[in-house]
Amino acid sequence: AQSVTQPDIHITVSEGASLELRCNYSYGATPYLFWYVQSPGQGLQLLLKYFSGDTLVQGIKGFEAEFKRSQSSFNLRKPSVHWSDAAEYFCAVISGTYKYIFGTGTRLKVLA
Amino acid sequence: DAGVTQSPTHLIKTRGQHVTLRCSPISGHKSVSWYQQVLGQGPQFIFQYYEKEERGRGNFPDRFSARQFPNYSSELNVNALLLGDSALYLCASTRSGTTGGELFFGEGSRLTVL
Repeated sequence: AQSVTQPDIHITVSEGASLELRCNYSYGATPYLFWYVQSPGQGLQLLLKYFSGDTLVQGIKGFEAEFKRSQSSFNLRKPSVHWSDAAEYFCAVISGTYKYIFGTGTRLKVLA
Repeated sequence: DAGVTQSPTHLIKTRGQHVTLRCSPISGHKSVSWYQQVLGQGPQFIFQYYEKEERGRGNFPDRFSARQFPNYSSELNVNALLLGDSALYLCASTRSGTTGGELFFGEGSRLTVL
């Protein structure tokens, strides 16, 4: 069965530091992968997605993610974190044509 | 343009009661999906509707039902509420039913069951 694992429940970084959030997936075929962000009291917003092609994808708000098939990973990165990036981040994979499977999320705290 | 709107934003029910949650998709979007997000977890797929037909159902009991109306809005109904149904219920819309369509989420309806 398809699954998504986000091994880090909480991550704390200082403002201006770099960030990497880990995501591992289990999927038989070429996966459609996504990163979403959820701020408190808000719905989820799409940061970026990978379907095929270039394995390094750029998203909004300065985020990028790299698809590594050999490691079944799709880690999210940002070179310099801003205080406004504090939120919960979800990695997701599409199962079939319409069912998104989300990870349990990583809560990011940014220190001033 | 208005985003996905959900109502009510918060509600409190008691065990055994029934609840109806409503969702209006982005204008032009024909597909609506429902997800349940329990505190500390990621969203779990409940239903997807496209052009008023159910296209998929997640691993939820028959107490959960939904429908989509001709204007593409949707309702999620939950009968015989249990304490474990307390969660944030998220509605998401996509323009079509094709694979990979970006989900646009509403801010959710937070249900508390006492």
